[in-house]
Amino acid sequence: NAGVTQTPKFQVLKTGQSMTLQCAQDMNHNSMYWYRQDPGMGLRLIYYSASEGTTDKGEVPNGYNVSRLNKREFSLRLESAAPSQTSVYFCASNKSGRQPEQPQHFGDGTRLSIL
Amino acid sequence: KNQVEQSPQSLIILEGKNCTLQCNYTVSPFSNLRWYKQDTGRGPVSLTIMTFSENTKSNGRYTATLDADTKQSSLHITASQLSDSASYICVVSADLLLGKLVFGTGTRLLVSP
Repeated sequence: NAGVTQTPKFQVLKTGQSMTLQCAQDMNHNSMYWYRQDPGMGLRLIYYSASEGTTDKGEVPNGYNVSRLNKREFSLRLESAAPSQTSVYFCASNKSGRQPEQPQHFGDGTRLSIL
Repeated sequence: KNQVEQSPQSLIILEGKNCTLQCNYTVSPFSNLRWYKQDTGRGPVSLTIMTFSENTKSNGRYTATLDADTKQSSLHITASQLSDSASYICVVSADLLLGKLVFGTGTRLLVSP
């Protein structure tokens, strides 16, 4: 099983450019999440999707949009990249966000630099 | 404010030695506490989960403890191996309905040969 797959692994953008980070899971999970990880800070939730067809804002949603394309795929879009969005982005999934005993499974991240 | 604090920030130990990592939290309502291991360049992987009624749980050489009264948890690693070099993140589930997680900043462990 591949688990959670994120693409690309690395990306460098110029300020103002747009891009979409892709995430796919093959575990038939209902809930999916996007986080960012910055030095000296814990992971912070950007957006989540409790189930196919629904999305909700997390702790730091400004500057981002998401799309739950189907049960497997959850993408994160930066419309106009800013240097403050330089970070490592992680996608995660679990069977259900309403079952906290279910661990979240993480991808290996996308390292994004905005110049 | 819901917070999770971990100590130490970093730690270096010799291969074969034991170590203990600490986690203090101020999260309410508490659902569970989980320890994740994050290897360099990889995503976090769950090691163990503790619920309110559990005091100790082991996963191989990893033993987690929870004191719900003092809101403290620890992760003890026995007979460390080079492969234990990683960041260890304490994560508390704060909202039963939506599975919202509060992440600590992690302890970076280096096991030296």
